[in-house]
Amino acid sequence: EIVLTQSPGTLSLSPGERVTLSCRASQSVSSSYLAWYQQKPGQAPRLLIYGVFSRATGIPDRFSGSGSGTDFTLTISRLEPEDFAVYYCQQYGSSPLTFGGGTKVEIK
Amino acid sequence: QVQLVQSGAEVKKPGASVKVSCKASGYTFTSYAVHWVRQAPGQRLEWMGRINAGNGDTRYSQKFQGRVTITRNTSASTAYMELSSLRSEDTAVYYCARDYSNSAYNWFDPWGQGTLVTVSS
Repeated sequence: EIVLTQSPGTLSLSPGERVTLSCRASQSVSSSYLAWYQQKPGQAPRLLIYGVFSRATGIPDRFSGSGSGTDFTLTISRLEPEDFAVYYCQQYGSSPLTFGGGTKVEIK
Repeated sequence: QVQLVQSGAEVKKPGASVKVSCKASGYTFTSYAVHWVRQAPGQRLEWMGRINAGNGDTRYSQKFQGRVTITRNTSASTAYMELSSLRSEDTAVYYCARDYSNSAYNWFDPWGQGTLVTVSS
């Protein structure tokens, strides 16, 4: 099973700041099968990024993904008020599909 | 628009079973797989399994093998997840989510709204 470790656990930031979230895999994620989701309290996760780099439909271009192998990054270029949420990475290259523990981005 | 609507909250006693439904609309149900994911309080998202809505083929996480059964009713465009031998650790929000396709594994979009299952004596 591929274990995904996200860091940091919590980030306290102000609107307008740049954010970099990390997701590290215990073994290489095959074919760059990595996605990122955003979850707000009481809501289901929402797809942001798939295939490491590709933004989902309707996702603003301030969200970008990068990385390969075992190290992946989600970057938010400029935080908007609606971006304060928990972010999860997920690998879908091998079964069982697994998720990271999440990074909470909170308002400073 | 593409939408998954799940059944309502459930309270079950230890040892019982629960069956959660996930009704799809806005797309051809049989062209996409449906996954089930759960989120226990304070825990990470946990993949349980998926069904190819076209041919009914199922794949389960080994952790839940033997306790979970995922089925679908194509005429109702609905997928189901049944979890048996419930214990308190199964208390969680259960989500269904649509795969990008019916083949292999892909990203999930969209997700259902979630169903809270509480296991308590």
